[in-house]
Amino acid sequence: DGGITQSPKYLFRKEGQNVTLSCEQNLNHDAMYWYRQDPGQGLRLIYYSQIVNDFQKGDIAEGYSVSREKKESFPLTVTSAQKNPTAFYLCASSITGQGAWTEAFFGQGTRLTVV
Amino acid sequence: AQSVTQLDSHVSVSEGTPVLLRCNYSSSYSPSLFWYVQHPNKGLQLLLKYTSAATLVKGINGFEAEFKKSETSFHLTKPSAHMSDAAEYFCVVRIGNDMRFGAGTRLTVKP
Repeated sequence: DGGITQSPKYLFRKEGQNVTLSCEQNLNHDAMYWYRQDPGQGLRLIYYSQIVNDFQKGDIAEGYSVSREKKESFPLTVTSAQKNPTAFYLCASSITGQGAWTEAFFGQGTRLTVV
Repeated sequence: AQSVTQLDSHVSVSEGTPVLLRCNYSSSYSPSLFWYVQHPNKGLQLLLKYTSAATLVKGINGFEAEFKKSETSFHLTKPSAHMSDAAEYFCVVRIGNDMRFGAGTRLTVKP
């Protein structure tokens, strides 16, 4: 089945540690996104990538880093510089170049907790 | 710039009664509009999407939405709520790769 896979589902991090969240898609989509979700705030864009080896900062990129070495993969690293990393993280992908009507497909999310 | 406002953070209905979740948008261009549903600790599932073909859009699970350009609205409705509809709903406006999410509306369905 085609889709987006995020792992792990739950992740615990000690303060001062970097952690990496995995996102893999087999939909052959060019664009991939990372969002952070906090209660009552909807989804906020961290980073997005429209093509391999290229990515752009979103609204809340500070304290995060990404890479896009393969079309299928878009891992997100939460660094120790991110002061409040506890949140639910969602990865998404979509087709590009198809006009404005294309929906995004989402993974099941990773819940990160700082302990 | 574009933005989306969901007018209610929480809506509560009784099972079998109609559902109305309100969404207003702001965009300089003709946007794409979407409604997604999210169950606890899950990803987002697409309910329906607006294209220029029809202003009344039908989606999954009996939901529909009407695009009203003059009112810049895209409200989500369902004639009869079911217990399984209890979830968080997000309205999304999109121009190209710029997607903006509303803050969400939590729908509670009472027996």
